[in-house]
Amino acid sequence: EPEVTQTPSHQVTQMGQEVILRCVPISNHLYFYWYRQILGQKVEFLVSFYNNEISEKSEIFDDQFSVERPDGSNFTLKIRSTKLEDSAMYFCASRYGRIANTGELFFGEGSRLTVL
Amino acid sequence: DAKTTQPNSMESNEEEPVHLPCNHSTISGTDYIHWYRQLPSQGPEYVIHGLTSNVNNRMASLAIAEDRKSSTLILHRATLRDAAVYYCILSLLNSGNTPLVFGKGTRLSVIA
Repeated sequence: EPEVTQTPSHQVTQMGQEVILRCVPISNHLYFYWYRQILGQKVEFLVSFYNNEISEKSEIFDDQFSVERPDGSNFTLKIRSTKLEDSAMYFCASRYGRIANTGELFFGEGSRLTVL
Repeated sequence: DAKTTQPNSMESNEEEPVHLPCNHSTISGTDYIHWYRQLPSQGPEYVIHGLTSNVNNRMASLAIAEDRKSSTLILHRATLRDAAVYYCILSLLNSGNTPLVFGKGTRLSVIA
């Protein structure tokens, strides 16, 4: 069964360092997302991406964050200068089509980021 | 955005049916009802979705009230593996790339 894969599974970094989280969405999917979940809290939307550009972003997704799809298969989330409060599990997700047609959003297993 | 209300937690015995309720009294005619679940230490996982009619799949059934102001996710025989947080989420019919917004969900505990 196709799946969304994320690397690394766990990354520890020092405050102020840059971090790149990588995702390989399911190959024929068109819509891509990043969510995060701080320990013990709810899953929060960060950004959505379609047709090589950001479609929507939340207030959390400030100038420290960026996304790109560099080679048609990977989808990356970059945090330029990490803060302690960026410590969370980051989930990548992808979907083939519109909600009305498919409904299903596929999530990866997540990348745990720990900022010291 | 239309909001949903779910109980914080529920408990079920193994091999018994579980009915997880969701209220969405401000739902519009073009909102789909989605259910996802999150097993411990995993990413969210799609369970089922529907618009007006009841829906069944291999994981669960979705019963939608006639006025669509509430719905119920039905697990026909709970197993220990069904212990998870269950999220009821609304999205627009032709939302395109509008993201799904997760609430706090219902934490289901399954007792052996």
